[in-house]
Amino acid sequence: DTGVSQNPRHKITKRGQNVTFRCDPISEHNRLYWYRQTLGQGPEFLTYFQNEAQLEKSRLLSDRFSAERPKGSFSTLEIQRTEQGDSAMYLCASSLLGPREAFFGQGTRLTVV
Amino acid sequence: AQSVTQLDSQVPVFEEAPVELRCNYSSSVSVYLFWYVQYPNQGLQLLLKYLSGSTLVKGINGFEAEFNKSQTSFHLRKPSVHISDTAEYFCAVSNSGGSNYKLTFGKGTLLTVNP
Repeated sequence: DTGVSQNPRHKITKRGQNVTFRCDPISEHNRLYWYRQTLGQGPEFLTYFQNEAQLEKSRLLSDRFSAERPKGSFSTLEIQRTEQGDSAMYLCASSLLGPREAFFGQGTRLTVV
Repeated sequence: AQSVTQLDSQVPVFEEAPVELRCNYSSSVSVYLFWYVQYPNQGLQLLLKYLSGSTLVKGINGFEAEFNKSQTSFHLRKPSVHISDTAEYFCAVSNSGGSNYKLTFGKGTLLTVNP
């Protein structure tokens, strides 16, 4: 068990470009969550998957954001036409079913210049 | 809707002193409660959780928290802190009656332990 892995750890992109982040959850975990954390704030829920199904999306997740979890394994979060307001730490977490501990990855820090 | 208020954005203490980080929540339904710690440029690590049962919960690294339903609080305590406890601490809740267990976090409390 290597924990939740996120790549890349850091990403600097120009405004208007598209970016994609990857999350590899703990292998037996059914649930996968994406959160966004801006400076001085706690993480905010974006979306979650149970296996390959995306079951809930936050209103924070604009049309420029899309997430996938093909085959219920790794997940990707894509941001199209990035804006400076997208600069944040994007955190992925996974858990088993039920009220279990969510294990977080180290995050991907996005900077839009 | 749920919300979490962490009453102190920063708490400076001296090494070996006791510390309490305060957390209050608001929810129309029953909740599960969590405390997470975040070291610089790292993800979050679970310190402890309250799901049911005893209202006094013990976690890792000597931390404990007490669930007070009447005051809707879940304060985190440690009797004697170390330099290595310096980090950001987040209180979080999830809906115990739901099925997705997404977390709603407070804004965090930066604990700084000075020698």
